[in-house]
Amino acid sequence: GENVEQHPSTLSVQEGDSAVIKCTYSDSASNYFPWYKQELGKGPQLIIDIRSNVGEKKDQRIAVTLNKTAKHFSLHITETQPEDSAVYFCAALLENQGGKLIFGQGTELSVKP
Amino acid sequence: KAGVTQTPRYLIKTRGQQVTLSCSPISGHRSVSWYQQTPGQGLQFLFEYFSETQRNKGNFPGRFSGRQFSNSRSEMNVSTLELGDSALYLCASSLGIGHRGEQFFGPGTRLTVL
Repeated sequence: GENVEQHPSTLSVQEGDSAVIKCTYSDSASNYFPWYKQELGKGPQLIIDIRSNVGEKKDQRIAVTLNKTAKHFSLHITETQPEDSAVYFCAALLENQGGKLIFGQGTELSVKP
Repeated sequence: KAGVTQTPRYLIKTRGQQVTLSCSPISGHRSVSWYQQTPGQGLQFLFEYFSETQRNKGNFPGRFSGRQFSNSRSEMNVSTLELGDSALYLCASSLGIGHRGEQFFGPGTRLTVL
């Protein structure tokens, strides 16, 4: 079936460094790719998203890039801070399956002060 | 604007029982989706409701069901609970039209089956 693969599963960086999380998807009809941040005891929070007519989108320290040809997209966090520590999920919208969101397995990001 | 609310936040049940979880979407949102989150399987889509109709369904057995009311509030029901149903059940709401995918999650209901 359709799936989204996410790497790495864990990522540890020093405060101030950059963090990059990568995802690949299989459904070429996907056209919407959100990223969620989940802190302990909370539900996932939408932090940034990108649609297939755009190659890159930036919001302060967070950016997302999309390569539709290669079917992969990435989350970039610059100048990381301890409060960025959380689990991050990528997702892809399956338009040809009624708009179902398929999630990656998550990346546990740890930012060490 | 208030976010998505889910009740109860925690539940403990025993095998064979049934459970009903509730979700109130963001005001104005007409679509509600449900997900099961477990350490091993991650976030898995259960079903989506829009205007009181099930619009999409994931690969879960018929023991998992849901419904949506005219005020967009939604409930999901799990019958004949199994140990493997222990999970965090998340509800997400969206506008539903022209904004497919922009989903906003509630805090979840933590279900433990003993």
